[in-house]
Amino acid sequence: RKEVEQDPGPFNVPEGATVAFNCTYSNSASQSFFWYRQDCRKEPKLLMSVYSSGNEDGRFTAQLNRASQYISLLIRDSKLSDSATYLCVVNTGFQKLVFGTGTRLLVSP
Amino acid sequence: ETGVTQTPRHLVMGMTNKKSLKCEQHLGHNAMYWYKQSAKKPLELMFVYNFKEQTENNSVPSRFSPECPNSSHLFLHLHTLQPEDSALYLCASSQMSGTNTGELFFGEGSRLTVL
Repeated sequence: RKEVEQDPGPFNVPEGATVAFNCTYSNSASQSFFWYRQDCRKEPKLLMSVYSSGNEDGRFTAQLNRASQYISLLIRDSKLSDSATYLCVVNTGFQKLVFGTGTRLLVSP
Repeated sequence: ETGVTQTPRHLVMGMTNKKSLKCEQHLGHNAMYWYKQSAKKPLELMFVYNFKEQTENNSVPSRFSPECPNSSHLFLHLHTLQPEDSALYLCASSQMSGTNTGELFFGEGSRLTVL
């Protein structure tokens, strides 16, 4: 089983749609969780951290379910500029961040 | 300059060549990383340096040799590479605290092609 698993997509959605991405991780001792965004031919950048209580940043909501070892990212009111690859990232401890393969989102007019 | 800068941005080399990738961070961070990104694969952690000391070597072949002369500079020396080593090599830095890596700031990457 992969340490971090994501559906690679692509997810094709119209502008204004709500879209959700899921991610599962295998190491139950994992300590912290993140979503990074990577635009085409660019470097990854931190989108948001994921907290146990769930957290929201504008149109983006991240949630963590430790019992199911599951992380989600919800994007409301999708914009064309949201088109990118979204990387689920898990800190498995010992200063090690493990990246998922990423989920590609395409938002169309 | 700000952030993390990598040079060269593109590199083509033969299997017998020796070349180096360079990374410099201007963020005052204490940790630096090399990641490899291949098509259809997740980012693979190669090396981690914390305060110039290597703390992670993720079973990387010896044809990749890292060097960290100080906390702002990181090199990846390349020697007798294979075509399957062709990939995007990303450098990152962070402010590490205990086992918390902190937010990673990536450079734009060096795209390597091995002929």
